[in-house]
Amino acid sequence: QQQVKQSPQSLIVQKGGISIINCAYENTAFDYFPWYQQFPGKGPALLIAIRPDVSEKKEGRFTISFNKSAKQFSLHIMDSQPGDSATYFCAATINTGGFKTIFGAGTRLFVKA
Amino acid sequence: DVKVTQSSRYLVKRTGEKVFLECVQDMDHENMFWYRQDPGLGLRLIYFSYDVKMKEKGDIPEGYSVSREKKERFSLILESASTNQTSMYLCASRPASMNTEAFFGQGTRLTVV
Repeated sequence: QQQVKQSPQSLIVQKGGISIINCAYENTAFDYFPWYQQFPGKGPALLIAIRPDVSEKKEGRFTISFNKSAKQFSLHIMDSQPGDSATYFCAATINTGGFKTIFGAGTRLFVKA
Repeated sequence: DVKVTQSSRYLVKRTGEKVFLECVQDMDHENMFWYRQDPGLGLRLIYFSYDVKMKEKGDIPEGYSVSREKKERFSLILESASTNQTSMYLCASRPASMNTEAFFGQGTRLTVV
């Protein structure tokens, strides 16, 4: 059972274009929604995160849009650059005594120069 | 900087062997996690621990066990390695507080032959 569904599985974008990755979740008890970026040979690292009481969060070229009623959230990368080429994971965290984080399946982004 | 260190980057083990994957974090985090990463499946939670000697099963615990005798160390044990456990294993830690990120190690690429 995949509690966080992510799409697309892969994405190719021209340099300067907008990359959009979408995620949907099922459990309304999730209370924190981070996005992680992973380069080859490295562990994932936090990119940006949002709480469910906020509809949008922007940090530089990266924006999360959050729709609580639809249980969906998305990552937008503006002015995409070749250095953004990586795998992106959406995630959702729930407090079950510890703070458990469930990840989506990941999106491999390739930005063409 | 938070550091999460996994004992090996690459391991090759034989079917039926008992395998230990070790993870150490240096930030006094309460929560620690073991994930496995497979193409198209993202990061799947095997086990997590929210305190010393406390553990909780994740989504795919079968064939694995864990040990957390000290706060900084979380071990993943494959009791009898099988070829379907060939994967990338990622350890993570995070504080036991809301709206905080998880920090990942570099990963251990395990091959079972």
